Amino acid sequence: GQNIDQPTEMTATEGAIVQINCTYQTSGFNGLFWYQQHAGEAPTFLSYNVLDGLEEKGRFSSFLSRSKGYSYLLLKELQMKDSASYLCAVSRITDSWGKLQFGAGTQVVVTP
Amino acid sequence: DGGITQSPKYLFRKEGQNVTLSCEQNLNHDAMYWYRQDPGQGLRLIYYSQIVNDFQKGDIAEGYSVSREKKESFPLTVTSAQKNPTAFYLCASSGAERQPQHFGDGTRLSIL
Repeated sequence: GQNIDQPTEMTATEGAIVQINCTYQTSGFNGLFWYQQHAGEAPTFLSYNVLDGLEEKGRFSSFLSRSKGYSYLLLKELQMKDSASYLCAVSRITDSWGKLQFGAGTQVVVTP
Repeated sequence: DGGITQSPKYLFRKEGQNVTLSCEQNLNHDAMYWYRQDPGQGLRLIYYSQIVNDFQKGDIAEGYSVSREKKESFPLTVTSAQKNPTAFYLCASSGAERQPQHFGDGTRLSIL
């Protein structure tokens, strides 16, 4: 199977830090993407991980452990505009290039 | 600016009617994708195409059809055989393996 699991919803306070976990089956793993999607809008690309470790981009960081089938997206200094759904997506060697399997998304609610 | 254009933004279908959703990209990407998103859920792949005049079924192709006569265009037809078409439809494209998919703004389809 190709299950990709994320928590359904997380709530955090403005200025705080939130960590969104994503677990996936490791067979044929070829890379992992994180997207942000505001309600009713298109997903926008946040990060890509293919090697183990942490990738940092401003307030957002993404971590990958290939052997554990685990990634997380870290959002620091939360702002109200960060309220959105965050989608984890996996590409696999066994799939056609460019094809992704998406998780159901994690709805992050930022409160004042 | 380069990007993906979906039209219309909102679409209404009558019973027994086929409707076509437009997707055009000027990013010179080889691969294009159609996804369906239902409330509170992730993206499910309907069809994808990696080259002109060729396309493949995704996970939920029944009741849908596509064509890829030009590199820039990948229209999706929702046929009358699709009994539950109400959803948010997203078109995406990608230029190479390990490159992120870029999304259009989506079309929201409803039943009259």
